[in-house]
Amino acid sequence: DAGVIQSPRHEVTEMGQEVTLRCKPISGHNSLFWYRQTMMRGLELLIYFNNNVPIDDSGMPEDRFSAKMPNASFSTLKIQPSEPRDSAVYFCASSPDRSSYEQYFGPGTRLTVT
Amino acid sequence: DAKTTQPPSMDCAEGRAANLPCNHSTISGNEYVYWYRQIHSQGPQYIIHGLKNNETNEMASLIITEDRKSSTLILPHATLRDTAVYYCIVCGFGNEKLTFGTGTRLTIIP
Repeated sequence: DAGVIQSPRHEVTEMGQEVTLRCKPISGHNSLFWYRQTMMRGLELLIYFNNNVPIDDSGMPEDRFSAKMPNASFSTLKIQPSEPRDSAVYFCASSPDRSSYEQYFGPGTRLTVT
Repeated sequence: DAKTTQPPSMDCAEGRAANLPCNHSTISGNEYVYWYRQIHSQGPQYIIHGLKNNETNEMASLIITEDRKSSTLILPHATLRDTAVYYCIVCGFGNEKLTFGTGTRLTIIP
Protein backbone atom coordinates (compact mmCIF):
# COMPACT_ATOMS: atom_id res chain seq x y z
CA ASP A 1 0.00 0.00 0.00
CA ALA A 2 1.30 3.46 -0.87
CA GLY A 3 0.15 4.95 2.40
CA VAL A 4 -1.47 8.34 2.75
CA ILE A 5 -0.55 10.56 -0.17
CA GLN A 6 -0.40 14.33 0.11
CA SER A 7 0.23 16.94 -2.54
CA PRO A 8 1.97 19.19 -3.01
CA ARG A 9 4.84 18.43 -0.63
CA HIS A 10 5.90 22.05 -0.61
CA GLU A 11 3.90 25.15 -1.41
CA VAL A 12 5.08 28.73 -1.43
CA THR A 13 2.49 31.41 -2.07
CA GLU A 14 1.90 35.08 -1.52
CA MET A 15 -0.43 36.50 1.06
CA GLY A 16 -3.98 36.73 -0.24
CA GLN A 17 -3.70 33.81 -2.63
CA GLU A 18 -5.86 30.71 -2.44
CA VAL A 19 -4.11 27.53 -1.38
CA THR A 20 -5.45 24.01 -1.87
CA LEU A 21 -3.87 21.02 -0.18
CA ARG A 22 -4.79 17.52 -1.28
CA CYS A 23 -4.93 14.16 0.41
CA LYS A 24 -5.56 10.61 -0.71
CA PRO A 25 -6.22 8.34 2.26
CA ILE A 26 -5.30 4.68 2.43
CA SER A 27 -7.79 2.63 0.45
CA GLY A 28 -10.52 1.20 2.64
CA HIS A 29 -10.01 3.68 5.47
CA ASN A 30 -13.20 5.39 6.58
CA SER A 31 -11.82 8.22 8.70
CA LEU A 32 -9.68 11.12 7.53
CA PHE A 33 -8.00 13.84 9.55
CA TRP A 34 -6.32 17.14 8.82
CA TYR A 35 -3.67 18.43 11.24
CA ARG A 36 -1.48 21.50 11.31
CA GLN A 37 1.95 21.67 12.94
CA THR A 38 3.86 24.79 13.91
CA MET A 39 6.69 25.42 16.32
CA MET A 40 4.50 27.65 18.46
CA ARG A 41 1.36 25.53 18.66
CA GLY A 42 2.60 22.01 17.99
CA LEU A 43 0.39 19.49 16.23
CA GLU A 44 -3.28 20.50 16.14
CA LEU A 45 -6.28 18.64 14.78
CA LEU A 46 -8.20 20.88 12.38
CA ILE A 47 -11.04 18.66 11.19
CA TYR A 48 -11.91 15.03 10.72
CA PHE A 49 -14.30 13.10 8.51
CA ASN A 50 -15.95 9.73 8.84
CA ASN A 51 -17.45 8.13 5.74
CA ASN A 52 -16.86 11.40 3.92
CA VAL A 53 -18.94 13.39 6.43
CA PRO A 54 -17.30 16.09 8.57
CA ILE A 55 -17.62 15.02 12.20
CA ASP A 56 -15.75 17.71 14.07
CA ASP A 57 -14.39 20.95 12.60
CA SER A 58 -13.90 22.75 15.89
CA GLY A 59 -10.18 22.97 15.26
CA MET A 60 -10.54 24.94 12.03
CA PRO A 61 -9.00 28.30 12.92
CA GLU A 62 -11.37 30.56 11.03
CA ASP A 63 -13.64 30.90 8.04
CA ARG A 64 -10.71 31.24 5.69
CA PHE A 65 -10.18 27.50 6.13
CA SER A 66 -12.47 24.94 4.55
CA ALA A 67 -12.21 21.20 3.97
CA LYS A 68 -14.09 18.82 1.75
CA MET A 69 -14.20 15.11 1.16
CA PRO A 70 -16.17 14.52 -2.04
CA ASN A 71 -15.46 10.80 -2.02
CA ALA A 72 -13.70 8.12 -0.02
CA SER A 73 -10.41 8.54 -1.83
CA PHE A 74 -9.89 12.28 -1.86
CA SER A 75 -9.96 15.29 0.44
CA THR A 76 -8.94 18.91 0.14
CA LEU A 77 -8.05 21.61 2.64
CA LYS A 78 -8.42 25.09 1.24
CA ILE A 79 -7.21 28.40 2.63
CA GLN A 80 -8.66 31.52 1.06
CA PRO A 81 -7.21 34.07 1.42
CA SER A 82 -3.93 32.84 2.83
CA GLU A 83 -1.95 34.79 5.44
CA PRO A 84 1.66 34.51 6.63
CA ARG A 85 0.48 33.03 9.95
CA ASP A 86 -0.90 30.07 8.03
CA SER A 87 2.65 28.95 7.31
CA ALA A 88 2.97 25.47 8.77
CA VAL A 89 3.23 21.80 7.92
CA TYR A 90 -0.19 20.33 7.19
CA PHE A 91 -0.64 16.61 7.74
CA CYS A 92 -3.39 14.36 6.54
CA ALA A 93 -4.04 11.07 8.32
CA SER A 94 -6.48 8.21 7.86
CA SER A 95 -7.69 5.32 9.97
CA PRO A 96 -9.74 2.22 9.16
CA ASP A 97 -12.80 3.24 11.19
CA ARG A 98 -13.96 5.31 14.14
CA SER A 99 -13.01 2.66 16.66
CA SER A 100 -9.53 2.18 15.28
CA TYR A 101 -6.69 3.05 17.59
CA GLU A 102 -4.16 3.85 14.91
CA GLN A 103 -3.96 6.82 12.61
CA TYR A 104 -1.69 6.65 9.57
CA PHE A 105 -0.10 9.96 8.69
CA GLY A 106 1.00 11.26 5.34
CA PRO A 107 4.33 13.00 4.72
CA GLY A 108 2.82 16.45 5.11
CA THR A 109 2.68 19.61 3.01
CA ARG A 110 4.99 22.42 4.04
CA LEU A 111 3.18 25.68 3.35
CA THR A 112 4.97 29.01 3.30
CA VAL A 113 2.93 32.18 2.86
CA THR A 114 5.00 35.29 2.18
CA ASP B 1 -9.29 13.96 27.58
CA ALA B 2 -6.76 13.68 30.37
CA LYS B 3 -3.64 15.81 30.22
CA THR B 4 -0.22 14.19 29.97
CA THR B 5 3.17 15.35 31.23
CA GLN B 6 6.43 14.22 29.64
CA PRO B 7 10.05 15.32 30.07
CA PRO B 8 11.02 17.65 27.22
CA SER B 9 14.14 15.71 26.26
CA MET B 10 16.13 12.57 26.97
CA ASP B 11 19.31 10.94 25.74
CA CYS B 12 19.98 7.24 25.44
CA ALA B 13 23.04 5.31 24.32
CA GLU B 14 22.68 3.24 21.20
CA GLY B 15 21.92 -0.38 22.00
CA ARG B 16 20.57 0.40 25.44
CA ALA B 17 16.93 0.40 26.49
CA ALA B 18 15.21 3.76 26.24
CA ASN B 19 12.60 4.33 28.94
CA LEU B 20 10.26 7.24 28.28
CA PRO B 21 7.96 8.24 31.16
CA CYS B 22 4.54 9.83 30.97
CA ASN B 23 2.32 11.09 33.75
CA HIS B 24 -1.44 11.08 33.27
CA SER B 25 -2.79 11.40 36.79
CA THR B 26 -6.27 12.51 35.69
CA ILE B 27 -6.87 9.56 33.37
CA SER B 28 -10.39 8.17 33.59
CA GLY B 29 -11.45 4.55 33.55
CA ASN B 30 -12.31 4.31 29.88
CA GLU B 31 -9.32 6.21 28.55
CA TYR B 32 -6.44 4.54 26.77
CA VAL B 33 -2.78 5.50 26.66
CA TYR B 34 -1.40 5.90 23.14
CA TRP B 35 2.17 6.49 22.05
CA TYR B 36 3.18 8.01 18.75
CA ARG B 37 6.54 9.23 17.55
CA GLN B 38 7.59 11.74 14.95
CA ILE B 39 10.90 11.42 13.20
CA HIS B 40 12.24 14.68 11.85
CA SER B 41 10.35 15.94 8.78
CA GLN B 42 7.95 13.00 8.79
CA GLY B 43 4.38 12.51 9.91
CA PRO B 44 3.70 10.95 13.32
CA GLN B 45 3.81 7.17 13.55
CA TYR B 46 1.73 5.01 15.86
CA ILE B 47 3.79 2.88 18.26
CA ILE B 48 1.55 1.18 20.80
CA HIS B 49 -1.46 1.65 23.03
CA GLY B 50 -2.89 0.15 26.22
CA LEU B 51 -5.66 0.39 28.79
CA LYS B 52 -4.33 -1.17 31.98
CA ASN B 53 -2.31 -4.24 31.09
CA ASN B 54 1.25 -4.06 29.90
CA GLU B 55 1.55 -4.35 26.15
CA THR B 56 4.33 -5.37 23.80
CA ASN B 57 4.69 -5.32 20.05
CA GLU B 58 7.53 -5.42 17.57
CA MET B 59 8.41 -1.80 18.22
CA ALA B 60 8.13 -1.31 21.94
CA SER B 61 6.69 -2.24 25.31
CA LEU B 62 4.22 -0.19 27.31
CA ILE B 63 4.19 -0.46 31.07
CA ILE B 64 1.18 1.10 32.82
CA THR B 65 1.17 1.45 36.60
CA GLU B 66 -1.54 -0.27 38.55
CA ASP B 67 -3.25 3.01 39.41
CA ARG B 68 -2.93 4.01 35.71
CA LYS B 69 -1.61 7.43 36.63
CA SER B 70 1.63 6.96 34.75
CA SER B 71 3.19 4.81 32.08
CA THR B 72 6.56 4.08 30.51
CA LEU B 73 7.35 3.38 26.90
CA ILE B 74 10.33 1.08 26.52
CA LEU B 75 12.40 0.77 23.35
CA PRO B 76 14.41 -2.33 24.25
CA HIS B 77 17.45 -1.82 22.03
CA ALA B 78 17.56 1.75 20.83
CA THR B 79 19.08 2.52 17.46
CA LEU B 80 19.99 5.82 15.85
CA ARG B 81 16.76 5.59 13.84
CA ASP B 82 14.79 5.84 17.08
CA THR B 83 15.81 9.48 17.46
CA ALA B 84 12.47 11.28 17.36
CA VAL B 85 9.86 13.16 19.37
CA TYR B 86 7.70 10.73 21.33
CA TYR B 87 4.14 11.68 22.22
CA CYS B 88 2.09 10.16 25.01
CA ILE B 89 -1.64 10.70 24.44
CA VAL B 90 -4.64 9.79 26.54
CA CYS B 91 -8.12 9.51 25.07
CA GLY B 92 -11.13 7.30 25.04
CA PHE B 93 -11.16 4.32 22.70
CA GLY B 94 -13.00 5.25 19.56
CA ASN B 95 -12.38 8.92 20.29
CA GLU B 96 -10.47 9.97 17.25
CA LYS B 97 -9.49 13.37 18.53
CA LEU B 98 -5.89 12.73 19.42
CA THR B 99 -4.39 15.70 21.26
CA PHE B 100 -0.64 15.87 20.77
CA GLY B 101 1.28 17.68 23.51
CA THR B 102 4.90 18.72 23.31
CA GLY B 103 6.29 15.22 23.71
CA THR B 104 9.79 14.04 24.63
CA ARG B 105 12.63 14.60 22.22
CA LEU B 106 14.67 11.38 22.42
CA THR B 107 18.21 11.48 21.09
CA ILE B 108 20.07 8.22 20.63
CA ILE B 109 23.78 8.71 21.17
CA PRO B 110 26.20 6.56 19.12
